Amino acid sequence: ETVMTQSPATLSVSPGERATLSCRASQSISSNLAWYQHKRGQAPRLLVYGASTRATGIPARFSGSGSGTDFTLTISSLQSEDSAVYYCQQYNNWPRYTFGQGTKVEIK
Amino acid sequence: QAQLVQSGAEVKKPGASVKISCKASGYSFTTYAIHWVRQAPGQRLEWMGWINAGNGNTKYSQKFQGRVTFSRDTSASAAYMDLSSLKSEDTAIYYCAKEENAFDCWGQGTLVTVSS
Repeated sequence: ETVMTQSPATLSVSPGERATLSCRASQSISSNLAWYQHKRGQAPRLLVYGASTRATGIPARFSGSGSGTDFTLTISSLQSEDSAVYYCQQYNNWPRYTFGQGTKVEIK
Repeated sequence: QAQLVQSGAEVKKPGASVKISCKASGYSFTTYAIHWVRQAPGQRLEWMGWINAGNGNTKYSQKFQGRVTFSRDTSASAAYMDLSSLKSEDTAIYYCAKEENAFDCWGQGTLVTVSS
């Protein structure tokens, strides 16, 4: 099983500043990685798939990068509504899909 | 646009079974797989398995093999998850999700509480 590890566990960022979230896979997953935003009481929301392609309707301040085992989600200018838990997910080892443990983004 | 609407919250006793529905609209139901994901309190999202909505083929996470059954009704554009032999550790929010580009559309979640 491919284990996904995210860091940091919690990130506290001031509005307007950049937030950088990391995700590492225990083995190569090519670019088969997605990022989700999950707010309490809501369904997860797809932000990025294919490691770097923004999903429909996602603001340009969200960007993804990386391939192989190391990936990054960047929020270029944090807004108050971006407070959430962010999960990475690999879908390379079909049909088994695994999630990271999440990074909680807090607004300072 | 695509939408998935799940059935309501359930309270079950240990050893019982629960069946959750996931009704799709706004897209061709049989074209995409439906996955099931759960989140127990304080835990990460956990993938349970998937069903090919077109031909009904299924794949289950080894953790749930033997206890979970996925099905679908193409005439109703609905998918179902049946989890048996419930334990307190199965208390969680259960989500269905459509896979087109990763999991691009999710249901609102169904809270299942297992308590004696």
